[in-house]
Amino acid sequence: DTGVSQDPRHKITKRGQNVTFRCDPISEHNRLYWYRQTLGQGPEFLTYFQNEAQLEKSRLLSDRFSAERPKGSFSTLEIQRTEQGDSAMYLCASSPSIGSSYEQYFGPGTRLTVT
Amino acid sequence: GQNIDQPTEMTATEGAIVQINCTYQTSGFNGLFWYQQHAGEAPTFLSYNVLDGLEEKGRFSSFLSRSKGYSYLLLKELQMKDSASYLCASSKGSAGNMLTFGGGTRLMVKP
Repeated sequence: DTGVSQDPRHKITKRGQNVTFRCDPISEHNRLYWYRQTLGQGPEFLTYFQNEAQLEKSRLLSDRFSAERPKGSFSTLEIQRTEQGDSAMYLCASSPSIGSSYEQYFGPGTRLTVT
Repeated sequence: GQNIDQPTEMTATEGAIVQINCTYQTSGFNGLFWYQQHAGEAPTFLSYNVLDGLEEKGRFSSFLSRSKGYSYLLLKELQMKDSASYLCASSKGSAGNMLTFGGGTRLMVKP
């Protein structure tokens, strides 16, 4: 499968714990995005990488959230001291930076439940 | 900002045509995307409009009017499998073309 993959698909954690999610984009895509989606809502932008550089961060991304893309390939999103409000689906997407469509291809998401 | 407005829910009959509207307010607007999302799954790309006019792709068509800040997604010959949420999203030319999504329109197709 050459699509965007995310791991794990589901994560249940207790409030106050740290969690880390991984995203593997489509190999030739140099742009990578993280979004968060809660039930009944559209995805909300969190952050964006061009290769290994994090170029944009949403105000939604509090100090407890950090994202990395160390070699410009896979990315990780870490949430420290999780809160119940962090429960959501975390979606990763990738796209090429050239070409006409700029279509973003989404991964299956990681569903986080904070108890 | 890039506020995106679309109806929350719509219902249509199998075999019929349905139009899902989307309005946006934006500065730096670049293009308009439509995604389909089945429950519990990731969004999948349907269409992208950057110029005014209608883009047709099989049973699905998408329209954009940049001057009016308006788009619609037209679904023809509805099938039961078209029951899903349809997400309208605008992109900015800057910020890596990040997407700002509406809340989605949940479409229910009935026999």
